[in-house]
Amino acid sequence: DVKVTQSSRYLVKRTGEKVFLECVQDMDHENMFWYRQDPGLGLRLIYFSYDVKMKEKGDIPEGYSVSREKKERFSLILESASTNQTSMYLCASSPTGLVTEAFFGQGTRLTVV
Amino acid sequence: AQKITQTQPGMFVQEKEAVTLDCTYDTSDQSYGLFWYKQPSSGEMIFLIYQGSYDEQNATEGRYSLNFQKARKSANLVISASQLGDSAMYFCAMRDGGGTSYGKLTFGQGTILTVHP
Repeated sequence: DVKVTQSSRYLVKRTGEKVFLECVQDMDHENMFWYRQDPGLGLRLIYFSYDVKMKEKGDIPEGYSVSREKKERFSLILESASTNQTSMYLCASSPTGLVTEAFFGQGTRLTVV
Repeated sequence: AQKITQTQPGMFVQEKEAVTLDCTYDTSDQSYGLFWYKQPSSGEMIFLIYQGSYDEQNATEGRYSLNFQKARKSANLVISASQLGDSAMYFCAMRDGGGTSYGKLTFGQGTILTVHP
């Protein structure tokens, strides 16, 4: 069975902290994505990676960075967490190609206080 | 730039009736894929159906069908014989390459579907 695992389901962090959200996939997929989901705004792409150490900015990269040192792992980093980064974060992976579906993790609900 | 628009924040349907969820998209690519996902209250994202830009037939998967109108750039999801378990958020998504071999996956705002008994 296909599996994308996010390290935490719920996370509470303080303003200014450096936050790491981890995502691991076991399907040998080339592509991995990080989204944030907010009511009324749908899923917005933060960053995606199409190969190890390769990344591209999505639509809302400000305040975030990513790391992909190994094919199976894609990390989202909040350099200095702020309250407006309180959100649901979803990781996804897919094989290469335009016609392939993406598989999602269970999501991380991050609250920054 | 890619853009997906879902103009219905919420939809209501009676059990056993059919419902159409709207989705329009914008891309300059000739080759792209369109997807629909369901997100129940548990939060998981469930893939429902896929349509390729070169597919001549509308995609169908069980009670789900995709009404693909390429000239109008629309990819509406039709759910036939609605069930109470269909109550969820539904997302339309598009993947195009922008000249690359990989695909950025862009989502719409979502539509909350409520099925009444």
